[in-house]
Amino acid sequence: SQTIHQWPATLVQPVGSPLSLECTVEGTSNPNLYWYRQAAGRGLQLLFYSVGIGQISSEVPQNLSASRPQDRQFILSSKKLLLSDSGFYLCAWRTTYNSPLHFGNGTRLTVT
Amino acid sequence: DAKTTQPPSMDCAEGRAANLPCNHSTISGNEYVYWYRQIHSQGPQYIIHGLKNNETNEMASLIITEDRKSSTLILPHATLRDTAVYYCIVQETSGSRLTFGEGTQLTVNP
Repeated sequence: SQTIHQWPATLVQPVGSPLSLECTVEGTSNPNLYWYRQAAGRGLQLLFYSVGIGQISSEVPQNLSASRPQDRQFILSSKKLLLSDSGFYLCAWRTTYNSPLHFGNGTRLTVT
Repeated sequence: DAKTTQPPSMDCAEGRAANLPCNHSTISGNEYVYWYRQIHSQGPQYIIHGLKNNETNEMASLIITEDRKSSTLILPHATLRDTAVYYCIVQETSGSRLTFGEGTQLTVNP
């Protein structure tokens, strides 16, 4: 069966520090992969999505970036965190045809 | 992507049916209606989806109007554990870009 792993679960980072969040999917191949962010009490904001290795579509032109070095690995990064980067980060995957999104358990990031 | 509109909040008594509406008036012919829910501090969970026919599974029923411009998610016997934010999105069969609105906060009261 397919599973999605996202880590860490919680993270506290100072302003200006780098960030790396990793997401991996098992049990499927060539999934569409997604990063979402959720501010407190708000809906899900799409940050990046990828339909294949090395293919990244960006929705949010801020200080975040994403990479997909392997078929089932999706990484969210930042060189210098801002206070406004605090939030709940969710990774998700789906197959390419009429399938629902499957979400990880999320990373709660607090930038201090 | 077609935009969806949902009420920000709803209340429901435990044991009663919860009917959550969603408007998607600009939906196109190849877009499905998907429903997810998010319990506090967890990742969203898929509930059900449909194209034009009504659908039912072990979690809920989905009623889509004939013109497909709106739909209703029905939780037939709401429990306290159904308290969550419910998201309605439209999703192309092969589309990649998937965006969510603010959803509906459903509160089930004892």
